[in-house]
Amino acid sequence: EIVLTQSPGTLSLSPGERVTLSCRASQSVTGTYLAWYQQKPGQAPRLLMYGASNRAPGIPDRFSGSGSGTDFTLTVRRVEPEDSAVYYCQHYGGSPRITFGQGTRLEIK
Amino acid sequence: QVQLQESGSGLVKPSQTLSLTCTVSGGSITSAGYSWSWIRQAPGKGLDWIGYIYQTGSAYFNPSLQSRVTMSIDKSKNQFSLKLTSVTAADTAVYFCVRYDDYNYHFDFWGQGTLVSVSS
Repeated sequence: EIVLTQSPGTLSLSPGERVTLSCRASQSVTGTYLAWYQQKPGQAPRLLMYGASNRAPGIPDRFSGSGSGTDFTLTVRRVEPEDSAVYYCQHYGGSPRITFGQGTRLEIK
Repeated sequence: QVQLQESGSGLVKPSQTLSLTCTVSGGSITSAGYSWSWIRQAPGKGLDWIGYIYQTGSAYFNPSLQSRVTMSIDKSKNQFSLKLTSVTAADTAVYFCVRYDDYNYHFDFWGQGTLVSVSS
């Protein structure tokens, strides 16, 4: 089973800064199967990126994804207070193998 | 716009069976290229995939829960359901029903989630 490890666990930034979140897989994976989600308190997660680098509909271009092999990143340019949330990466490893990272909490203040 | 809505008991006694139903609107549960999932989130914790079911009724489950999980689909009602047996306090969580895009390998539409507490 592929384990996804996200880092850092928590970070705090000021508006306008740039941030890069990491998702590391325990073995090499195909980027096609890697997605990112944003979850705000009391809400369901929202799809941000799929196929490692494809933005979901309606997601601002401040968000970008990249990576390959075991290392994937989600970058947010010019963070805004509304970006405060927990971010999860997710991998599809065939049926029945869908796994999530443990999440990175991002605080903007 | 596809919408999903969970319904079911919010309180289940230990050792009993948790039962939830998800009603899909704004799209058909028989649409090609999608499967229908349940994901849960214990209080303050991360996301835990439970399983998914296809319109054919074929289902796949997280190996950690496989022995206790069943899913079913009712195409006439545009609904799918989850049953989790022999629950314990560790099954207390918000349960989300979610659509999975089988072509692009991601979860695209989520229900709002429903809290299920396991307590006597």
